[in-house]
Amino acid sequence: DAKTTQPNSMESNEEEPVHLPCNHSTISGTDYIHWYRQLPSQGPEYVIHGLTSNVNNRMASLAIAEDRKSSTLILHRATLRDAAVYYCILDNYGQNFVFGPGTRLSVLP
Amino acid sequence: DSGVTQTPKHLITATGQRVTLRCSPRSGDLSVYWYQQSLDQGLQFLIQYYNGEERAKGNILERFSAQQFPDLHSELNLSSLELGDSALYFCASSVDMGQGAKNIQYFGAGTRLSVL
Repeated sequence: DAKTTQPNSMESNEEEPVHLPCNHSTISGTDYIHWYRQLPSQGPEYVIHGLTSNVNNRMASLAIAEDRKSSTLILHRATLRDAAVYYCILDNYGQNFVFGPGTRLSVLP
Repeated sequence: DSGVTQTPKHLITATGQRVTLRCSPRSGDLSVYWYQQSLDQGLQFLIQYYNGEERAKGNILERFSAQQFPDLHSELNLSSLELGDSALYFCASSVDMGQGAKNIQYFGAGTRLSVL
């Protein structure tokens, strides 16, 4: 299974931008990059995905390095509701999602 | 609300017993996935069904089985329960199987199983 590595935890102040990094140095050319998050006492929630180009949606932005060996999830203005565990996952056709430990994001008021 | 419904929300049972967890996918989704989340193991993929057929198996024990019915709802059966089976069990669904947008998974709220 293709692996990703993320920091165990990060902290942010409310209403400031947050950049959550993910390294995936063994990514293959056909792997999509997905981000999910899990709020306390809830199931994981889809955030965003991309292949090569940067992506934006209402929740976040995804910046993908040119060599695709790393990516960054950007929350433009963190709110208390964004406190969660964020998972970076490689999506390869026919392979199932491997959820690592993720990054626990704390948002300080 | 993800549109994925899991019942029951909580289940308390004894060792050696058998339980059934139920999942109704989002309307129109053909693929269903089951995951187990325990404190020491994180979120582990168990099994995937697509339009009634088993498509992939992960770390699913032989004591566990699942099926997807013609109306696309799915059940996860856990038998000969042990203390270590206590965990949160999540169901997810996706519109199709494949990559990218086809593989976006929508998760239910989970069933919390406590084996005493």
